[in-house]
Amino acid sequence: SQQGEEDPQALSIQEGENATMNCSYKTSINNLQWYRQNSGRGLVHLILIRSNEREKHSGRLRVTLDTSKKSSSLLITASRAADTASYFCATGGDAGNMLTFGGGTRLMVKP
Amino acid sequence: KAGVTQTPRYLIKTRGQQVTLSCSPISGHRSVSWYQQTPGQGLQFLFEYFSETQRNKGNFPGRFSGRQFSNSRSEMNVSTLELGDSALYLCASSPRIIQGISGANVLTFGAGSRLTVL
Repeated sequence: SQQGEEDPQALSIQEGENATMNCSYKTSINNLQWYRQNSGRGLVHLILIRSNEREKHSGRLRVTLDTSKKSSSLLITASRAADTASYFCATGGDAGNMLTFGGGTRLMVKP
Repeated sequence: KAGVTQTPRYLIKTRGQQVTLSCSPISGHRSVSWYQQTPGQGLQFLFEYFSETQRNKGNFPGRFSGRQFSNSRSEMNVSTLELGDSALYLCASSPRIIQGISGANVLTFGAGSRLTVL
């Protein structure tokens, strides 16, 4: 079963706008990651934030984590058409490499 | 450095048949995980192998099995296929298993094997 929910399920924006996706989870975590998936292909790791971190940046990506609310957000700034994809949050516990994924947000960036 | 390679990429089977999917991890990676992705259930963890041993298993019936070879390559098998087994099966590799709160487990995924059961 999925760890939690992602919101929104779908998002459509214009190129240059910012995109914000939210993820909620249910149990305690060691870390939270965001992955991108293009059109039913494999997932690509974007960024990882540990449970003792509150914010992390990587290029145009900004991730926040609020463990008290069991939620995270992914912000993509100055979006491009190439950012069109599905974005998934995934939580990791202390059980090996087992990740629990959210339902994903489908992002469409219109040129 | 070659990525994670999954074969076959696409396959069609009929109910009751069995299927074997193969995954070659990134060179030097010893952990291989398998995930099932369907429109209804999303991404679900199947199992993980490290050093030829299954370390974790998801909530799937015994028809789903896997193994890992000494070169870290992994296979998964689904027997007595059902319509609901139609899915994208994703393999992911990682250098090692991380345990504990300080661990971080970034996975590198293959492109997947898309299975259609008729």
